[in-house]
Amino acid sequence: QKEVEQNSGPLSVPEGAIASLNCTYSDRGSQSFFWYRQYSGKSPELIMFIYSNGDKEDGRFTAQLNKASQYVSLLIRDSQPSDSATYLCAVNPSNNDMRFGAGTRLTVKP
Amino acid sequence: GAGVSQSPSNKVTEKGKDVELRCDPISGHTALYWYRQSLGQGLEFLIYFQGNSAPDKSGLPSDRFSAERTGGSVSTLTIQRTQQEDSAVYLCASSLARTGLAFFGQGTRLTVV
Repeated sequence: QKEVEQNSGPLSVPEGAIASLNCTYSDRGSQSFFWYRQYSGKSPELIMFIYSNGDKEDGRFTAQLNKASQYVSLLIRDSQPSDSATYLCAVNPSNNDMRFGAGTRLTVKP
Repeated sequence: GAGVSQSPSNKVTEKGKDVELRCDPISGHTALYWYRQSLGQGLEFLIYFQGNSAPDKSGLPSDRFSAERTGGSVSTLTIQRTQQEDSAVYLCASSLARTGLAFFGQGTRLTVV
């Protein structure tokens, strides 16, 4: 089992819709969870982080964490074509390094 | 510095040669990470430093790969006797302690011919 798993996609949504990205992780001792956005040919850029169970909202983005289910998600409301990118889920496992999922490619169609 | 700086940004090397990749983290960031990303793939974890120590070296693909960090700042990733499968973008990130709010450099694109 991979440490961090994501559906590779591609995920396609129409402009204005909600995009839902999901991630599961294997280390129950993980404490910190992150979402990065990576445009083609660019480095990953941190967009959200969450430490506690529940929801965390920042503008059009909401991160959701359920530690009991070892599940993290990212919702993007009112999706825009500029949101088209690969979204990477990252987890700090109990040994304190940082592991990434393979990423989900999102396309927002005008 | 203002951000994580990596050098060189591009490196073309002949198979069998050694290469050194450099990462200069954000000032004050004690944690430093190296990843490798092949075209269209996710981030492969290589090594993590906390200060000058690397608690986990298990991600290094072979004994041709080594990394060091001096003065709790600059890190160097060395690949000896490069092979074509080493061709990838090598990304460095740094964060404050264990908060994990990591910021990436622009990467070094390594091409082994």
